[in-house]
Amino acid sequence: AQSVAQPEDQVNVAEGNPLTVKCTYSVSGNPYLFWYVQYPNRGLQFLLKYITGDNLVKGSYGFEAEFNKSQTSFHLKKPSALVSDSALYFCAVRDRDTDKLIFGTGTRLQVFP
Amino acid sequence: DVKVTQSSRYLVKRTGEKVFLECVQDMDHENMFWYRQDPGLGLRLIYFSYDVKMKEKGDIPEGYSVSREKKERFSLILESASTNQTSMYLCASSFTGDLLRISNQPQHFGDGTRLSIL
Repeated sequence: AQSVAQPEDQVNVAEGNPLTVKCTYSVSGNPYLFWYVQYPNRGLQFLLKYITGDNLVKGSYGFEAEFNKSQTSFHLKKPSALVSDSALYFCAVRDRDTDKLIFGTGTRLQVFP
Repeated sequence: DVKVTQSSRYLVKRTGEKVFLECVQDMDHENMFWYRQDPGLGLRLIYFSYDVKMKEKGDIPEGYSVSREKKERFSLILESASTNQTSMYLCASSFTGDLLRISNQPQHFGDGTRLSIL
């Protein structure tokens, strides 16, 4: 079965420091991978996606993600965190059998001043 | 910018009521989705639609139905509301991508409806 895992419920980082939010996946074939962000009392916003091509994908708000096929990971990164990056982050993978998106359980990012 | 509008931000209903949640998108997207979001469970797909009058069951369709009479509007219906349907409901829409694949295109979400069933 296709699945996606976000092993950390919460990530804390100081403003100005680099941040990483982890995501691992399990799919058959080539994965389509996505990151979304949810600010308080809002819906999800698309950040970036990996379909094919370069393993390093750049997205909105200075975020990027690295696709690692051997480790089946798609970690979200940012070189310098902002307090305004504090939000809930979701990784998602396409289910190859049903063509639907499977979302992880989310990671809450807290950036402290 | 894509705009997905959900008719209510907060809604309180009673057990047994029939509840309608409305969603409208303004970008002529073919695909529309209804999810529910619960802490620790992430997003779970209830129903989706890839065309007018078409609908497909998601992972948790029990107790729900949907209606898509017009391309821009996708309604979620709780036939007889129960307390375990208290949740945040999110609507989303997307284009159909190349090779007629739904899910290589990003989904655009509304701000959600927080529904409480008493």
